[in-house]
Parts: sequence; C-alpha cells; structure tokens
Amino acid sequence: AQSVTQPDIHITVSEGASLELRCNYSYGATPYLFWYVQSPGQGLQLLLKYFSGDTLVQGIKGFEAEFKRSQSSFNLRKPSVHWSDAAEYFCAVGATGNQFYFGTGTSLTVIP
Amino acid sequence: NAGVTQTPKFRVLKTGQSMTLLCAQDMNHEYMYWYRQDPGMGLRLIHYSVGEGTTAKGEVPDGYNVSRLKKQNFLLGLESAAPSQTSVYFCASMNQRTYEQYFGPGTRLTVT
Repeated sequence: AQSVTQPDIHITVSEGASLELRCNYSYGATPYLFWYVQSPGQGLQLLLKYFSGDTLVQGIKGFEAEFKRSQSSFNLRKPSVHWSDAAEYFCAVGATGNQFYFGTGTSLTVIP
Repeated sequence: NAGVTQTPKFRVLKTGQSMTLLCAQDMNHEYMYWYRQDPGMGLRLIHYSVGEGTTAKGEVPDGYNVSRLKKQNFLLGLESAAPSQTSVYFCASMNQRTYEQYFGPGTRLTVT
C-alpha cells in the first residue's frame, strides 16, 4: 500500500539557517513525488515535483528536493530560511489512477 | 482566473443534518478531488473524478457522496452529518499534463 511518512511534526529554525524536511514514501513502482506548502488558513501550493530524471529538483521560493530511491526518501531543503517560509509542508506521492497520498505534514516555525 | 473556489467557507451543522459543499474550477481540468484535513492526519482523499459524469472512491469515502454533472463543478454531499466529519475540506483540480494539483481555500465544517 502507498504511504508517506514525515517524521518531524514540528521544526524550528532561525532565520538565515538552512532547512531540511524529511519525507519517506512507500510505493511499489516509480513514484511521482511532490512537496506542497500551506500557509495558515490557505489551500496548498505546489513547491516542486519529481517524476524522473535528475534526482535533484528545483522548485519555487528557493526550495529544492533530492530523490533517493535506495532510501525511499524525498527530502526538502532550503539553504537560507526566510521568516515568510513559516508554514506547514506536506510531502505527497502520486499513485495509480491519479490518486495522491499525503504525509501528515511538518510545521515550520522561523525565529528571528 | 479565479482558479478553484469553494462554497461555503464556514458551516456549522447539527448531527443528522445534510449539506452540500460546492467546488468550482475555471481551468478546464478533467480531474477533481475532495480531501479532508484533520490535525495530525494530513490530507486524506475522500472522492475524486476523472471527468464529467464520473466519480470514484478515495481513501475515506464513507458518509460522503459526490457528483460531477458539469466539468467545472464537483459537489461533496453529507447526507447525515456526524461529529466525526468535523474537519477542513479542500477541493483540488489537477493539470493532467503537469500533475500539479490546484487547491481551493477550504471549507471549515463543524458538526455538533
């Protein structure tokens, strides 16, 4: 069965520090992987996606993610966090029939 | 372009009452989705549609019905609301070419 695990419920980083959010997935075939961001009271917005090819993908707002098949991971990174990055982040896997499975989310707090 | 809109934004129901949530998209997408978001659970797929006149069950379909009579609209119905259906409901449509989902702003439903 497909599933997505985000082991960190909440992360706090200082503004300007680097960030890595973890995501592990379980899926039998080659996965379609996504990271979405949700600001308070808003819907979700796509940050980046991986389908195939280069395992390091670039997204919007300076985010990147690396697909590691051997570790079943798709971790999200940003070299220098801004206060406006405070939000909830969701990893998702696209499965057969164009269904999507989301992780439980990681809440990011940015301190000055 | 309004993108994806949801009506209403907030609603309070008593147990046993019924209601319909409306989702509308103006991007001519074939695929549309209904999710519920609960604390610590992430987003879970309720029902989805791959085109006008079609619907399919997702991960948590019990207690909900859907209809897709027009391509741009996807309705989610609760026939007899239960407190367990207290949640934030998100609608999304998907660009089949990019697999990007576009989310509405959500409907916060409370069942007392």
